[in-house]
Amino acid sequence: GNSVTQMEGPVTLSEEAFLTINCTYTATGYPSLFWYVQYPGEGLQLLLKATKADDKGSNKGFEATYRKETTSFHLEKGSVQVSDSAVYFCALSDVSSSNSGYALNFGKGTSLLVTP
Amino acid sequence: DGGITQSPKYLFRKEGQNVTLSCEQNLNHDAMYWYRQDPGQGLRLIYYSQIVNDFQKGDIAEGYSVSREKKESFPLTVTSAQKNPTAFYLCASSRGLAGGRLDTQYFGPGTRLTVL
Repeated sequence: GNSVTQMEGPVTLSEEAFLTINCTYTATGYPSLFWYVQYPGEGLQLLLKATKADDKGSNKGFEATYRKETTSFHLEKGSVQVSDSAVYFCALSDVSSSNSGYALNFGKGTSLLVTP
Repeated sequence: DGGITQSPKYLFRKEGQNVTLSCEQNLNHDAMYWYRQDPGQGLRLIYYSQIVNDFQKGDIAEGYSVSREKKESFPLTVTSAQKNPTAFYLCASSRGLAGGRLDTQYFGPGTRLTVL
């Protein structure tokens, strides 16, 4: 079956530090990959996505590259801000093999705290 | 403004009572989803619907029921059969099959249910 594994948190960084949150996946088909962000007490917001191998998704300074050879989709940002403090979820959608249409398979989330 | 609304934001229920969570979208999306989020875990799929008058069980459907009588609405009922209903519930919608590999889910702000 499909699954997503992301690095355990919490991750604590100082402002302007470099961020990497690792995400690897297992899929039987050809998934689309997503990063969502959740601020406290809120729903999830799409951060970026990639739909095929070697695609790079980017938004608000965050980037992630779809690596089929390593089945990875690591999230990076060159200089984090306090306002980036949130929980980040990696997810995949694989309609070719899923029994759930386009429902997403989520990782467990990685909490990021950025301190001034 | 287009989007997804969930109500109420906080809900308290006594044991043995059924409760219905509302989800409405005005994005003209075909597909709608309900997820459950527990602390330290990713999101788990409860039910999904790819079209009006049709819905399917997700990974953790026991103790829940849904209806999809209108395209805009996908209410979730948490029944007394759900053994551990206290959680954060998130509704999402997407273009579904019409979106293909580019399909993206958009989430509502969530309802936090507490069973007393």
